[in-house]
Amino acid sequence: QSVLFQPPSMSGTPGQTLTLSCSGSSSNIGKNPVNWYYQTPGKAPQLLIFSNDQRPSEIPDRFSASTSGSSASLAISGLQSEDEADYFCSSWDDKVQGWLFGGGTKVTVL
Amino acid sequence: QVHLVQSGAEVKRPGASVKISCQTSGYDFSAFSVHWVRQAPGQSLEWMGWITTAQGTKYAQKFQGRVTFTRDTSANTAYLELRSLTSADTAVYYCARPRGSGGRYSYLDYWGQGTLVTVSS
Repeated sequence: QSVLFQPPSMSGTPGQTLTLSCSGSSSNIGKNPVNWYYQTPGKAPQLLIFSNDQRPSEIPDRFSASTSGSSASLAISGLQSEDEADYFCSSWDDKVQGWLFGGGTKVTVL
Repeated sequence: QVHLVQSGAEVKRPGASVKISCQTSGYDFSAFSVHWVRQAPGQSLEWMGWITTAQGTKYAQKFQGRVTFTRDTSANTAYLELRSLTSADTAVYYCARPRGSGGRYSYLDYWGQGTLVTVSS
């Protein structure tokens, strides 16, 4: 059972903005950076956002992220069919002294 | 180009051990740690730990005593060995390269393609 809570699924129409949430606690998101990964079926996860809000150069600026207190959010603007994937948040946890991943949010583009 | 290529799928009996390899190319393997992450069917990702450039290891509490990470710098390859397998260990196992300042400030920028381990009697 994940300690980082993500809604299991979200859906949107093309062009819409979706905001995915990741809820943690003071031992993880509250004091450590958050990274986001995405994964399409049958593929390995890929880095989407690192250090709370930094995008790798190959990730379009339609993707943005932020943190507030013990929660993090990922916004996908101008939703496209190719954005259909599972999205995972991740952060170090000081209590377990290890990395945690959220349960993942499956994004469907209607 | 950075590549992490893992060994092929494995089928094991309960109680057996499995050893997975992760051969890297396209970067200085000796300068980077290697992380291991697994994903059970239909489930989220689960961090297993890392091995540093100096062969130091950090294992997630859940796997302490049952997993061993090793690396062979001459072969640019990292290894994961998991012992006393049960059906709960059926998963895809990934190796990944970390970037960032290390430890809690790291992030995984390149991943292997994954190795499916099936544990079944």
